[in-house]
Amino acid sequence: GENVEQHPSTLSVQEGDSAVIKCTYSDSASNYFPWYKQELGKRPQLIIDIRSNVGEKKDQRIAVTLNKTAKHFSLHITETQPEDSAVYFCAARPGFQKLVFGTGTRLLVSP
Amino acid sequence: DAGVTQSPTHLIKTRGQQVTLRCSPKSGHDTVSWYQQALGQGPQFIFQYYEEEERQRGNFPDRFSGHQFPNYSSELNVNALLLGDSALYLCASSSRDSRSFTHNSPLHFGNGTRLTVT
Repeated sequence: GENVEQHPSTLSVQEGDSAVIKCTYSDSASNYFPWYKQELGKRPQLIIDIRSNVGEKKDQRIAVTLNKTAKHFSLHITETQPEDSAVYFCAARPGFQKLVFGTGTRLLVSP
Repeated sequence: DAGVTQSPTHLIKTRGQQVTLRCSPKSGHDTVSWYQQALGQGPQFIFQYYEEEERQRGNFPDRFSGHQFPNYSSELNVNALLLGDSALYLCASSSRDSRSFTHNSPLHFGNGTRLTVT
């Protein structure tokens, strides 16, 4: 079955810096790759997603890139702010039914 | 527009007991998925319900069962609770594409039920 690996597990940056989180997946059938942000004690919230027919997608300070050949995708956050501090999860959908999540990256943005 | 709602928010049970968790999907959604999130881990897929039937199941034992009602709401039941069942149980809803008959819409999660088994 699908396996999603996520790195790094912890990422500390200064406010204003960029942050990059990387994920790899194993199942070439995966066709949808969302990213979720989860603040302490709260629900995972979708922040951006990309489908397999697209190589890059941007939404203000957030962008996601997908390399289908290498089976990896990345989240890029520019001009980080303290409120970006949270745990970020990548996920892959092998087919149309379920999401397989990575193990999460704890992002800490220091003022 | 109500999002995904789950109840209860917290629950404490003892080993061997049974528990029922409830979920109402986001308005307009007809598909409900359940995930288990252990502390410090990513959510793990338990199963998905559509048209009142279990459509796909993750790697969870038969102690985990579910149900979907005609109004699309859903229940997750866990029997013979183990200490390892302690986790945040998340419900997520989505909608089925009526043209492609696939579940391509993004998942929207509820706030979860924190289950503690002692």
